[in-house]
Amino acid sequence: AQSVTQPDIHITVSEGASLELRCNYSYGATPYLFWYVQSPGQGLQLLLKYFSGDTLVQGIKGFEAEFKRSQSSFNLRKPSVHWSDAAEYFCARGTEYGNKLVFGAGTILRVKS
Amino acid sequence: DTGVSQDPRHKITKRGQNVTFRCDPISEHNRLYWYRQTLGQGPEFLTYFQNEAQLEKSRLLSDRFSAERPKGSFSTLEIQRTEQGDSAMYLCASSLAVGVETQYFGPGTRLLVL
Repeated sequence: AQSVTQPDIHITVSEGASLELRCNYSYGATPYLFWYVQSPGQGLQLLLKYFSGDTLVQGIKGFEAEFKRSQSSFNLRKPSVHWSDAAEYFCARGTEYGNKLVFGAGTILRVKS
Repeated sequence: DTGVSQDPRHKITKRGQNVTFRCDPISEHNRLYWYRQTLGQGPEFLTYFQNEAQLEKSRLLSDRFSAERPKGSFSTLEIQRTEQGDSAMYLCASSLAVGVETQYFGPGTRLLVL
């Protein structure tokens, strides 16, 4: 079965420090991978997506992610975190036919000043 | 593009009551999805429509749940005889089924069953 694993439930980083959130996926040939962000009590906002091509994808708010097929990973990175980045981050995968997304359990990011 | 909207944003109900949620997708999007998110978890797929046709339902969608998209635009999700376990955030997303799709989410409806 398809699954998405986010190994870190919580991560705390200092403002201005770099960030990496981990995501591993299972199953399938070419996965379609997404990162979404959710602020408390809000819906999900798309940060970036990977379908094919360049394995380093750029997203909004200065985020980027790198697809590594050999490691079945799609980690999210940001070189310098801002206090407003504090939120919950979800990695998700789709299928070649789109349809439903399968989400990881999320990683809560705390930013300390 | 006004985004996906959901109504109501919050609903508190007593166990055994029926509730109905509405989702208005992005206007040109032909696919509409419902997900449920419980505390500390990622969203879980419930069902989706392409135009007015309901094409897939999750096993999470018990017979107390029904979803419609009568004219291929807005959708409703009804829960009959609510149970405390139905308390969750119900998220709607829409997409355009062209090539590989990207789903855009609404703000969600948070349901609390007392």
